Amino acid sequence: SYVLTQPPSVSVAPGETAMITCRADSPESQTFHWYQQKPGLAPVLLVFDDSARPSGIPDRFSASNSVNTATLTINRVEAGDEADYHCQVWDSTEGLFGGGTKLTVL
Amino acid sequence: EVQLEESGGGVVQPGGSLRLSCTVSGFSFSVYWMSWVRQAPGKGLEWVANIKRDGSEEYYGPSVKGRFTISRDNAKSSVFLQMSNLRPEDTAVYYCARAPGGSYPYYFDSWGQGALVTVSS
Repeated sequence: SYVLTQPPSVSVAPGETAMITCRADSPESQTFHWYQQKPGLAPVLLVFDDSARPSGIPDRFSASNSVNTATLTINRVEAGDEADYHCQVWDSTEGLFGGGTKLTVL
Repeated sequence: EVQLEESGGGVVQPGGSLRLSCTVSGFSFSVYWMSWVRQAPGKGLEWVANIKRDGSEEYYGPSVKGRFTISRDNAKSSVFLQMSNLRPEDTAVYYCARAPGGSYPYYFDSWGQGALVTVSS
């Protein structure tokens, strides 16, 4: 298998835009999914299939994938967006998660 | 409302065994892959195991393969994780998760609240 690399932390001021990257060191094209996890709670699916949002997820959250580097973008960041963000792929028969990125809202 | 509820967590000695259960409601259990994902204290998420809709296929992460067994009972809308030969590094919150994939699970769209497993002497 291979590794998904995320920055450990990202900081942003309220109202600004946060971008969190996830790089897969794989030779094959991957499809990325993103989860938000607030302290003490279970993860919540934020984006699936690179850029699709489940119902109920605000359109401030968007994502893209370019040559196996996925980017989660959070527009007009709010204090309530402070959380850990995890990327994930399915590789053959194995699930892989990135190490997670802690988003701090300044 | 989709609900997943784990049970069976606790403290166990190294080398011991434990069985986690996850009972679901609010959706048609038999049409979904089911999964277990864990999170060690202060760490990221780690995929543990998946089981296909009819129980015909199972997949395991490398760190648990040969020690953990996933199973399901569609009549009782439940999925289980039998954990054997437990190690201190298995200490984690174990989440039950639903996976809506076709040929493979792909991603996890609903999660339980988690069950804490502590492996310590």
